[in-house]
Amino acid sequence: TQLLEQSPQFLSIQEGENLTVYCNSSSVFSSLQWYRQEPGEGPVLLVTVVTGGEVKKLKRLTFQFGDARKDSSLHITAAQPGDTGLYLCAGPYYGGSQGNLIFGKGTKLSVKP
Amino acid sequence: EAGVAQSPRYKIIEKRQSVAFWCNPISGHATLYWYQQILGQGPKLLIQFQNNGVVDDSQLPKDRFSAERLKGVDSTLKIQPAKLEDSAVYLCASSLIRYTEAFFGQGTRLTVV
Repeated sequence: TQLLEQSPQFLSIQEGENLTVYCNSSSVFSSLQWYRQEPGEGPVLLVTVVTGGEVKKLKRLTFQFGDARKDSSLHITAAQPGDTGLYLCAGPYYGGSQGNLIFGKGTKLSVKP
Repeated sequence: EAGVAQSPRYKIIEKRQSVAFWCNPISGHATLYWYQQILGQGPKLLIQFQNNGVVDDSQLPKDRFSAERLKGVDSTLKIQPAKLEDSAVYLCASSLIRYTEAFFGQGTRLTVV
């Protein structure tokens, strides 16, 4: 069972288009993190959302945490080729022994010039 | 600030052979994670250390995988014997406080033939 479901799995768009990717769970998370991973590199943190309903902006990227803290979205305005990569959401999960940081499977974004 | 260092970057071995990966986390980071990432998917946690103690190893295939973190700093992950399905990127990450921003190394790409 995947605790963090990300959709869509793949997204290919033209430069200048807008897009939204989603991260959903049936569990409540105290916080969620968004990472971007480029080929051959490790994931790099973009943002952490903590409060239900919170909206954070990072240049052309807008992140939202659901009111119930079970879901999050990432919206990119006027996508550029440099936005290409694997977008991962992650959060602390306490269902096991003492908890760990778990990841979704990611959304692979390709922005064509 | 130096990042998370991992070595080797690439490794090709035959099935049933053994292999070891090394990780040097960011100085002062108490939490260290090892993740396995199959091509195109999100990272799957294998083991989490807090200082030199294991917090969670529930997803570690203990019949063939082992990991240690001596003196709460460097860590090694070993696979013995390797199987074809172990082909993946092995990522090491560290964080200052558990469940906060995880800083990743570039990973080790393992190919088992």
